Amino acid sequence: DTAVSQTPKYLVTQMGNDKSIKCEQNLGHDTMYWYKQDSKKFLKIMFSYNNKELIINETVPNRFSPKSPDKAHLNLHINSLELGDSAVYFCASSPAPKNTEAFFGQGTRLTVV
Amino acid sequence: GESVGLHLPTLSVQEGDNSIINCAYSNSASDYFIWYKQESGKGPQFIIDIRSNMDKRQGQRVTVLLNKTVKHLSLQIAATQPGDSAVYFCAENTGTASKLTFGTGTRLQVTL
Repeated sequence: DTAVSQTPKYLVTQMGNDKSIKCEQNLGHDTMYWYKQDSKKFLKIMFSYNNKELIINETVPNRFSPKSPDKAHLNLHINSLELGDSAVYFCASSPAPKNTEAFFGQGTRLTVV
Repeated sequence: GESVGLHLPTLSVQEGDNSIINCAYSNSASDYFIWYKQESGKGPQFIIDIRSNMDKRQGQRVTVLLNKTVKHLSLQIAATQPGDSAVYFCAENTGTASKLTFGTGTRLQVTL
């Protein structure tokens, strides 16, 4: 069974559309994250949730809205998609908010055309 | 061979040789560090971690060295294998925030 699973794996959509990426972890972890990886492979955190509570919100446009219905799920909704949103988005989870390894999902490759 | 992890450089090593991947981290308050391996089309995968109260930690075929004086981290891979080919990232955590800050990555290519 996959520990951190994201759907979909690939997402191609037109500018201006709204889309969601779903993430689930079956590790029993308290903390979940969304990271964005650009075309140069640079990984940057977007959001972090601990026990369904938002604890990190980096300088991300408010078109991006995370939602955590329970500890095992963290979804990412993106409104009014722009060309610059094209990237690979990774969900991750960790047992605790700090100083522990994060387990990553396989990524969602978002292409905005 | 050695490399510095800036702007995704590439390190090419022959199979069986040892690899050294370097990373300069930014925050002197960081107290936890991780090395990740990312294969093509996959998410980053944990390799080894080290806390700031240590300067060396060994795993299976891998060793991480931490030099806090110069804010430098290195990953040594012994007897490099073709399966080690991937992009390697160092990441730091200051301990005051629930996030890992990643370095820019180094691509390791293993030649036969």
